[in-house]
This record gives sequence, structure tokens and C-alpha cells, in this order.
Amino acid sequence: AQSVTQLGSHVSVSEGALVLLRCNYSSSVPPYLFWYVQYPNQGLQLLLKYTTGATLVKGINGFEAEFKKSETSFHLTKPSAHMSDAAEYFCAFGNSGGGADGLTFGKGTHLIIQP
Amino acid sequence: DVKVTQSSRYLVKRTGEKVFLECVQDMDHENMFWYRQDPGLGLRLIYFSYDVKMKEKGDIPEGYSVSREKKERFSLILESASTNQTSMYLCASMVGGGNEQFFGPGTRLTVL
Repeated sequence: AQSVTQLGSHVSVSEGALVLLRCNYSSSVPPYLFWYVQYPNQGLQLLLKYTTGATLVKGINGFEAEFKKSETSFHLTKPSAHMSDAAEYFCAFGNSGGGADGLTFGKGTHLIIQP
Repeated sequence: DVKVTQSSRYLVKRTGEKVFLECVQDMDHENMFWYRQDPGLGLRLIYFSYDVKMKEKGDIPEGYSVSREKKERFSLILESASTNQTSMYLCASMVGGGNEQFFGPGTRLTVL
């Protein structure tokens, strides 16, 4: 069965510093991988996704992620944190059919931005 | 603009009540999903649907059922609500595999 592990339930960075949110997955099939962000009292919004092709994926709001098959990782980064980045971030794995059978989510990482 | 709407943002029910959570999408998507979100557990899949009248169990279907009579509407039903079903419920839709799932704003259900 597929699983997604996000390291760190809470990550705190200073405004302007690098953001790194870690995600590892386990799967026996080629993965479809997603990062979603959730602002307080809102639903989830897609940041970026990896399906096939280029392993470095660029998303919205300056975020990017790199798919590393050898490490089974899909870490999310942003060069310079902004106060508006404070939110909950979820890594997700697309089940069979690229997510048509639903997504398997990590437990989430709460990103805190220190002024 | 893409839109998934859920009938209520907040709902308070009594133990044993039958509860209906409604979700509507305006994007003509075939696939629809119900997740529940709990602190420290992330989102877990309850049920999903490929098409009208079709439904499939997700990872935690116990205590829930669903209905999809029209393509745009996917309902989650708690036949007899229990306190352990107090949670945030999120609906999503998708046009097909490998694509983005669009989420509604969620319904925070409290069962007393």
C-alpha cells in the first residue's frame, strides 16, 4: 500500500529564509505527487504536481519541488519565506489512475513564519 | 472560475441523528471525493465516485454512505451520527486521473 510521510508537524522559519518541507513516499507503482496548501478555515489549494517528465516542478507563489526517485522524495522549497506563506501544507500521492481513486495524504506540516 | 461548494460551513448534530452533507461542483467533473480531516492525521478518503450512480469505498467508509444521483452533486450521509464522527469534511472533484483535485471549503461537523 502507498504511504506518504511528512517530516515535521511544525516548521518555523524566519521571514526571508529558505523554506524546506520534506515529503517521502512509498509505492510500488510510478507516482503522481502533489503539494497542497490550506489557509485557515479554507479548503485545499494545489501548489504543484508531478506526473511525468521534468523532475523539478515549479508551482504557484514561488514554490517548487523536486521528484527524486532514488530517494523516494518530493520535498517542497521556496527560496525566501513571506509572512503570507504561513499555512498548513500537505503532500499527497495519487493512487491508481493518477488519483482517480483518491489521494493518500501525509499528516501535514504547519509552516510558521517568524518576523 | 472553478467552484466546489458545500452546503454548510458549520453543523452541529446530536448522536443518532441522520446527517446529510452536500457537495456541488460546476466543472462537469466525472470524479468526486469525500475526505475527513483530523488534526495530526491529515486527510483520509471516505468514499469516491467515478460517475453518476457509481460509488467506491475509500480507506475509512465505516459509518458513512454516499449518493450521486446527478453528475454535479455528491452527498455524504451519516446514517446514525456518533461523537467520533466529529471532524472537518472536505469534498473534492477532478476531471480525470493525473489532474488536480479541486476542494470545497469544508464542513466542520460537531456531533454532541
